[in-house]
Amino acid sequence: DAGVIQSPRHEVTEMGQEVTLRCKPISGHDYLFWYRQTMMRGLELLIYFNNNVPIDDSGMPEDRFSAKMPNASFSTLKIQPSEPRDSAVYFCASRIAGTGTQYFGPGTRLLVL
Amino acid sequence: QKEVEQDPGPLSVPEGAIVSLNCTYSNSAFQYFMWYRQYSRKGPELLMYTYSSGNKEDGRFTAQVDKSSKYISLFIRDSQPSDSATYLCAMTGSNYKLTFGKGTLLTVNP
Repeated sequence: DAGVIQSPRHEVTEMGQEVTLRCKPISGHDYLFWYRQTMMRGLELLIYFNNNVPIDDSGMPEDRFSAKMPNASFSTLKIQPSEPRDSAVYFCASRIAGTGTQYFGPGTRLLVL
Repeated sequence: QKEVEQDPGPLSVPEGAIVSLNCTYSNSAFQYFMWYRQYSRKGPELLMYTYSSGNKEDGRFTAQVDKSSKYISLFIRDSQPSDSATYLCAMTGSNYKLTFGKGTLLTVNP
């Protein structure tokens, strides 16, 4: 199994630009999570999906952030417009129903100038 | 009070030492407890998974959960330089939303 796949691995953009992060969960996993990690705040849950349906987006910082999961094998996290304070590492994770363990992707390191 | 508290360290030990990492929590609904290891510039990887109270051993690693004290621990025996990483505790209840500690940075010196 290839594990959770994220792209791009690194993204450098200018303030005001749109940023799209992509994730492919592990095949057969029916939960997908988006996290953000910073030194100050640690690992924060942004949103999670179950069977492609958003269940809890209470961690999404503001309306500039949106996430979609059009099918079981693909999800996007979009930031529009981006701001320097969005600079962080964004992780996608997936898990299978009935277990508490999540498997993380390698992350996307985002720098907004 | 934060839901999960974890000493950020850093913790520096000599090779071969026994390492003890700990987290406390406040939410009584937590029943699944995990330890993740995160190497620099990598994603967290699951190290240990425990349900409810008790001990679990896997090689050099032992996880302990004391629900009465709301306290979990990870012990690493015979620590190796390759164990140098950030260790994150994580826990969840029936909704399976993980709440993470901020992580403890461990360095094992050869």
